[in-house]
Amino acid sequence: GAVVSQHPSRVICKSGTSVKIECRSLDFQATTMFWYRQFPKQSLMLMATSNEGSKATYEQGVEKDKFLINHASLTLSTLTVTSAHPEDSSFYICSAGGSISHHIQYFGAGTRLSVL
Amino acid sequence: AQSVAQPEDQVNVAEGNPLTVKCTYSVSGNPYLFWYVQYPNRGLQFLLKYITGDNLVKGSYGFEAEFNKSQTSFHLKKPSALVSDSALYFCAVRVTTSGTYKYIFGTGTRLKVLA
Repeated sequence: GAVVSQHPSRVICKSGTSVKIECRSLDFQATTMFWYRQFPKQSLMLMATSNEGSKATYEQGVEKDKFLINHASLTLSTLTVTSAHPEDSSFYICSAGGSISHHIQYFGAGTRLSVL
Repeated sequence: AQSVAQPEDQVNVAEGNPLTVKCTYSVSGNPYLFWYVQYPNRGLQFLLKYITGDNLVKGSYGFEAEFNKSQTSFHLKKPSALVSDSALYFCAVRVTTSGTYKYIFGTGTRLKVLA
C-alpha cells in the first residue's frame, strides 16, 4: 500500500519554542492531507485539512495562528506548533489519500510532542 | 450532526473465539465507512471499507464487517481472535460538506485478546 512518512517521531522542546512536523506521501500525490491530534486513550481529533496550493481549513476551536499548516507540494505538508506550551503536548498524526487510494487514508506513524 | 459511535471502550475475548467490535453511524446520504487499527505509538492502519455493493466486506488479517443500513451499523468481526489482534480499533465515516470532505472517527475500542 501507499506510504506516508511523518517526521520527527518524537520531539521534546522548551516552552515558547516552535516545532515543525513534516508529513510526506512517498509514492503518491496527495492534494489533501489531514492533521489530527490524539490525546491519551482518546479518539483522533481533526485539527485541519491541508490543501495543496491553498490555505488550510481549520476545525472549530483550533487556533490557526498557533498551528500553522503549509502544503507547498503534492507530497509534503507541514504543521508548525508555534510558541509551544505544555498543554500542546500530544500525539499528532497526519494522513493522506489521493485519487489512487479509493477513499482510503494512509496515516503517518505520528509525532509525540512533549513541551517542557 | 454527523457522527460515529463506538459504544464499547474495551472488548475482551478469549483467543480462538469470535470477536465483534461495534460501530454505529449517523450521516446524511450514503455513508463511506472504514475500520482502522492502531498499535501502540503507531499511526492507524487501514483494515477495510464499505463504499457500495455487497454489505459484507472482507479486509486485512481475516477481519470483516457488515454494513446494515436499517440499523445504521458497521460492526467489525473476526471468526477466531488472535492475541496479536489486541490493539485499538477505530470506526470512521467520510463526510462531504460544501464540496470538501473529511473523516470523522469514533472514540475507539480497545480489543484485548486473552491467551
